[in-house]
Amino acid sequence: GAVVSQHPSRVICKSGTSVKIECRSLDFQATTMFWYRQFPKKSLMLMATSNEGSKATYEQGVEKDKFLINHASLTLSTLTVTSAHPEDSSFYICSARDLRTGGEQYFGPGTRLTVT
Amino acid sequence: LAKTTQPISMDSYEGQEVNITCSHNNIATNDYITWYQQFPSQGPRFIIQGYKTKVTNEVASLFIPADRKSSTLSLPRVSLSDTAVYYCLVDIKAAGNKLTFGGGTRVLVKP
Repeated sequence: GAVVSQHPSRVICKSGTSVKIECRSLDFQATTMFWYRQFPKKSLMLMATSNEGSKATYEQGVEKDKFLINHASLTLSTLTVTSAHPEDSSFYICSARDLRTGGEQYFGPGTRLTVT
Repeated sequence: LAKTTQPISMDSYEGQEVNITCSHNNIATNDYITWYQQFPSQGPRFIIQGYKTKVTNEVASLFIPADRKSSTLSLPRVSLSDTAVYYCLVDIKAAGNKLTFGGGTRVLVKP
């Protein structure tokens, strides 16, 4: 299947700082990517839809000024957690569809964010 | 968006077949049924997808009755490494279509 990568795999930052997470589709182009957040022993919660060349669409309750999304190319979307707080500590996962192979959605390996 | 319902957890033993049934009463005509597997601290991994009847690949089979209001994921001869959370989702497979995850089924395979 298609490969989606994320960088970094884990990051620790201090409260008040900002952290950028990258999501790349390695062998296909994706006009749309998705960002999820997952707390321990919980399901994935969709945060936003990242659209190449246009503004992201955020789910209800997700602060767009806090979670900045940029989708500057067909293979890269970034999520920046601004002014991070301990409650932002979570597992962040991105995904994208490979329309060449039938449209299945493939997920990145996730990024573990810990805010101290 | 069609909602899915599946058991919270299931226990099994090595070598047994595991069947997880998911209900999706409000599935729409263009929806496909997709199953993902997730291990702790990893992203979900695509397992199988189907529209109707039966689909089989190297890791699983998916059974979908004619009314498509439910589906059953079958994992043959599970091993300890199949211990994971399994998610059933309905999906239109369009580029911008987002997936909504339900609670998933936590499968524990015992020796």
